[in-house]
Amino acid sequence: GNSVTQMEGPVTLSEEAFLTINCTYTATGYPSLFWYVQYPGEGLQLLLKATKADDKGSNKGFEATYRKETTSFHLEKGSVQVSDSAVYFCALSLPGDKLTFGGGTRVLVKP
Amino acid sequence: GAVVSQHPSRVICKSGTSVKIECRSLDFQATTMFWYRQFPKQSLMLMATSNEGSKATYEQGVEKDKFLINHASLTLSTLTVTSAHPEDSSFYICSARETGSIWGNTIYFGEGSWLTVV
Repeated sequence: GNSVTQMEGPVTLSEEAFLTINCTYTATGYPSLFWYVQYPGEGLQLLLKATKADDKGSNKGFEATYRKETTSFHLEKGSVQVSDSAVYFCALSLPGDKLTFGGGTRVLVKP
Repeated sequence: GAVVSQHPSRVICKSGTSVKIECRSLDFQATTMFWYRQFPKQSLMLMATSNEGSKATYEQGVEKDKFLINHASLTLSTLTVTSAHPEDSSFYICSARETGSIWGNTIYFGEGSWLTVV
């Protein structure tokens, strides 16, 4: 079956530090890959996505590249802010299918 | 991006009563919607997949008679928690897939609904 594995948190960083959250996946076929962010007490927001190999998704300073050869979709941001404190979920979806989520990574950015 | 709205955002109900949560796609049509439950500090647990005009598909272990799902239109799905008990207290989140080419395939989430059963 399909699965997503992401690094466990919490990840604690200082403001302006570099953030990387690793995500790897297993899927039959060619999935689309997503990063969602969940701020405390809220639902999930789509952060970025990539639909095919070598695509780079980017938004709000975050980036992730769809690496088919390593089945990875690592999330990066060069300089985090306190407002980036949240839980980040990596997910995949095959066409017409439901999302498969990773376990989520809690990120805490300290001033 | 596309917007999915949930209502109510917070609800408190008495044990034994039923409560309905609505999920609307505001600027797109959604043939398929999903309902999740999230426990504190955990990932989302898919409860059911809701397809417009047909019966929902429930995940293993989810009681279909307790969690009634209706998807009567392309923009609205509802989750009704029947005979609620305190253990049903949770954060419920819906999501919707943009209708059209399956290659579009992006799923958007609502803001979530906090249910507290007292």
